[in-house]
Amino acid sequence: ILNVEQSPQSLHVQEGDSTNFTCSFPSSNFYALHWYRWETAKSPEALFVMTLNGDEKKKGRISATLNTKEGYSYLYIKGSQPEDSATYLCALTLTLTFGKGTMLLVSP
Amino acid sequence: NAGVTQTPKFQVLKTGQSMTLQCAQDMNHEYMSWYRQDPGMGLRLIHYSVGAGITDQGEVPNGYNVSRSTTEDFPLRLLSAAPSQTSVYFCASSYRDMTGSTEAFFGQGTRLTVV
Repeated sequence: ILNVEQSPQSLHVQEGDSTNFTCSFPSSNFYALHWYRWETAKSPEALFVMTLNGDEKKKGRISATLNTKEGYSYLYIKGSQPEDSATYLCALTLTLTFGKGTMLLVSP
Repeated sequence: NAGVTQTPKFQVLKTGQSMTLQCAQDMNHEYMSWYRQDPGMGLRLIHYSVGAGITDQGEVPNGYNVSRSTTEDFPLRLLSAAPSQTSVYFCASSYRDMTGSTEAFFGQGTRLTVV
């Protein structure tokens, strides 16, 4: 069983703040890392899938980086908005093994 | 194109009862999986399948059975429900490649309560 750690467990920021979360994983036998956004009462939805060391991906105000050699990925949100409030999950393949997530709350 | 469809959305069972959670996808995905979500535990993998006729256990398989007779369907069976199986269950599917680098699509979830 892969050990995927996410930090912090929860985060409360003000609208307009920029923030970032961390996903840590074993650096051996790496295949791919996924980031998902999970709103309350909905299903997780994919943000990014990252495979190469040094990968950087961006979708609007959200971006992610990957370091497979040291076993971590960062997710950044620039200028947080209330609609960014959700739980952010990372997962490793081949079978998707999820971390416990970072719950983000953005206050207006 | 409906994506991943899970039924039912809600279910209450008595201890010892059996039931099947249904999951169907219309995207011709080879890979399907079942997760349970419990407070503070994130999503934990119960069983998964890499194609019709092939299934394997995940992190928490005890008390659950699966089968994959078609590409589209991946039902999860609880043979004798226990209160510890009270949870929210999610089914997911994705294309199967060599590295698992295609995104997964999730069903809407089934909230199961065992009393």
